Formats: sequence, structure tokens, C-alpha cells
Amino acid sequence: QVQLVQSGAEVKKPGASVKVSCKASGYTFTSYYMHWVRQAPGQGLEWMGIINPSGGSTSYAQKFQGRVTMTRDTSTSTVYMELSSLRSEDTAVYYCARGETYYYDSSGYYFFDYWGQGTLVTVSS
Amino acid sequence: EIVLTQSPGTLSLSPGERATLSCRASQSVSSSYLAWYQQKPGQAPRLLIYGASSRATGIPDRFSGSGSGTDFTLTISRLEPEDFAVYYCQQYGSSPLMYTFGQGTKLEIK
Repeated sequence: QVQLVQSGAEVKKPGASVKVSCKASGYTFTSYYMHWVRQAPGQGLEWMGIINPSGGSTSYAQKFQGRVTMTRDTSTSTVYMELSSLRSEDTAVYYCARGETYYYDSSGYYFFDYWGQGTLVTVSS
Repeated sequence: EIVLTQSPGTLSLSPGERATLSCRASQSVSSSYLAWYQQKPGQAPRLLIYGASSRATGIPDRFSGSGSGTDFTLTISRLEPEDFAVYYCQQYGSSPLMYTFGQGTKLEIK
């Protein structure tokens, strides 16, 4: 069965960086894109970006450009999300989510079919 | 950038009742780009509906999605106790690449 297992909670000071991992199992790692989505306390969901585990190409939401880096390690089927220059507003639960993309009857379908359990990142001085 | 607006913000209903949740887009969205998720407290979101109307694997048939253009609806025909949660719609955009969520509808027990 598909599983996405994320690293544990982190507490960071403002200005620091955090790196969250997401280990995939139960499917061919390089066959599906992986996304990162975050959720501030009591708030909604916010898409951060996407990585193609096959070639390593990435695309980031404009809001996070210059501060986020997504990488992968195909030998361990793990993707990473590093966020730098942390501020208090970055306090949130960070999720990895597998992206399903397919084409049927000339239409493309794009959604997140499996999610990690989430990693709480707290930014506090 | 397309903005998704969900209504109502909170919906108070009783088990057995019918729930109708709305997701309105600021511009026309291809139906195949629209998905719905359920999130319970302390849990990750769960995919319910993709392509506006296709149920994900294992989702009960009391959940249905409909709509096109700028107006989409998630309907729960008869509420079960486990359906009380927050629901999000989500759309895909290609130029620039972007995935956008609505702000969510909280479905609470009346």
C-alpha cells in the first residue's frame, strides 16, 4: 500500500532553515510527482511546490520562490523540502502529497491522492 | 491567479440530512481540474472527488460532485457521524503552474 512517512516535528528560531523529509513506499517512486502543501494553525491549505522525482525538476509557488528548495534521493525514495529565512508566519504543518496526473478523453486530471501524516514546524524565538 | 471561494463557511446539520457545499471559481475552470478533500482534526486531507464528479477509491457513494465552469458542488446525500469535518475544493492551473485551494467549509453537527 502507498505510504508517505514524514520526519518529526521541528522547532526553529527566526532566520533559521528547516528541512523536512518524506519517504515514499508502496509504489514506483519515480512515476509520480510529489507536492508540498502547508497549513498554518486553524487555517486552510496552501500549495508550495512540486518536484519530479524522476529528473529532479521543480516548480515553486511564487510566494516561496527564493526561500524553498525541493530535492529528492531516488536511492531511498525520499523527497525533501527545505525552507529558509524562517519567520513566525511559517509556523505550520507541512504535508507531502503524491500528485496524480493522467489524461483521459483529451482532458487532464490533476489532484493529490496520498498524503503524508504532516510535520509541525514551529518558528519561535 | 484563479481564486476559489467556498460557501458557506460553516454548515450545521444533523446526521441523516443532506449537505450541499459550494465552490465558486473567479474564472472558468476545466471540470477535470477540480477536486474535493475532507480533513478531520489532526489528520491529513483525504481525496474524495476528482475531475469534479469522480469518486476516489473507497469513497462511499453518498458523496457526489457536480458542476462546471465557475460553480461546483459537493453533495453528501445522508450525513453519517464520521462526515463532520472540513471540506476543501482544489483546482489546477497551468500558466503559471499552480494548485489552489478554497478556504474550506466546516461541516458541524447541529
